[in-house]
Amino acid sequence: NAGVTQTPKFQVLKTGQSMTLQCAQDMNHEYMSWYRQDPGMGLRLIHYSVGAGITDQGEVPNGYNVSRSTTEDFPLRLLSAAPSQTSVYFCASSSGTGAYTGELFFGEGSRLTVL
Amino acid sequence: AQSVTQLGSHVSVSEGALVLLRCNYSSSVPPYLFWYVQYPNQGLQLLLKYTSAATLVKGINGFEAEFKKSETSFHLTKPSAHMSDAAEYFCAVRDVNNDMRFGAGTRLTVKP
Repeated sequence: NAGVTQTPKFQVLKTGQSMTLQCAQDMNHEYMSWYRQDPGMGLRLIHYSVGAGITDQGEVPNGYNVSRSTTEDFPLRLLSAAPSQTSVYFCASSSGTGAYTGELFFGEGSRLTVL
Repeated sequence: AQSVTQLGSHVSVSEGALVLLRCNYSSSVPPYLFWYVQYPNQGLQLLLKYTSAATLVKGINGFEAEFKKSETSFHLTKPSAHMSDAAEYFCAVRDVNNDMRFGAGTRLTVKP
């Protein structure tokens, strides 16, 4: 029962470097999303996708790119890392793009530090 | 977009005492509401969800929440706290465009 798998779990970057956070799910979920979690701010939506080839912006999309070439994978790219992007990142998925009553299933998170 | 507000960033209770975590939503249409729990260094797990079938929703680990339209509230309760309940709790609302919006979270401490 893999569920939602995120890699890496920890990463340290220097300002200006780029990197990709990987997310894969094996539940055949159509909906996938990325959140960042910062103290006192809960989780904020970065980008989401309702199916392969379709992505859209959330609340805090600046500095991040996503793509969805397959149902299973939804990578998050940091183009030029900044200290303000130090955070814990969570990938989540759910079934049914129209059935918005469904809960999200979360990965275990990726802790990113930008120096 | 819909949103939720959690009242109280920290709540402390004694073991065996009532747990009450507060959540209010802003919505002009029937919302779909969720409570999640996060244990240290882990992802979020679903505690319970409200999808208009019943106003009193029972979840895992003895938690329940009551949807009150007149108060726009969806407070989480547990009659008797256990040490293992210490965690951070998030209220969330899912919008019609599928976005899940979270509250800022409430950290629950349980004292022996």
